[in-house]
Amino acid sequence: AQSVTQLDSQVPVFEEAPVELRCNYSSSVSVYLFWYVQYPNQGLQLLLKYLSGSTLVKGINGFEAEFNKSQTSFHLRKPSVHISDTAEYFCAVSGRSSASKIIFGSGTRLSIRP
Amino acid sequence: EPEVTQTPSHQVTQMGQEVILRCVPISNHLYFYWYRQILGQKVEFLVSFYNNEISEKSEIFDDQFSVERPDGSNFTLKIRSTKLEDSAMYFCASSGGGSGDEQFFGPGTRLTVL
Repeated sequence: AQSVTQLDSQVPVFEEAPVELRCNYSSSVSVYLFWYVQYPNQGLQLLLKYLSGSTLVKGINGFEAEFNKSQTSFHLRKPSVHISDTAEYFCAVSGRSSASKIIFGSGTRLSIRP
Repeated sequence: EPEVTQTPSHQVTQMGQEVILRCVPISNHLYFYWYRQILGQKVEFLVSFYNNEISEKSEIFDDQFSVERPDGSNFTLKIRSTKLEDSAMYFCASSGGGSGDEQFFGPGTRLTVL
């Protein structure tokens, strides 16, 4: 079984400040890792994913995440946030077989203050 | 850019009534999924579907739920007799099916059971 923990339900940040959204996962097998973003009243959009290889993964909108196997973490970072980054961010895992279900964390609401 | 579409965007129904939520996956995708998000909670997997049969289902997906691909384009989720606790946002997703392939999510249908 897999699970995902997002420790911060809300993260307020000033515009142009850096941000880190934390994610830890638990799994007895190797997994793929994802970050999804959900803008208000919209569906889920993939920000980035880790499948294998380099542990630093770059995604859309200037976001990046680092896979740390020993700490079972996959924290999301952005060096300078914008008002448009205001959204809910979900960390997620899936198994490595084709079309595995995605297990989501509870989400972190990122609010950007001008 | 191809996208997953869902109709209706909002469905209001009386407890005990049947509802059908509709999804049009991306045309060359082979795997289809339903997830739901109860207000304020995490996104939860319901069911995956491939080659005209269910691949995997969660504990939530009991006998009240069914899925169907009635033609070459639509993918539906039916709830036979809705309960108050079925009120949620329902997301459809599709993927090509290769290992690590991205699941593309639709904008969701908000189901309100009164």
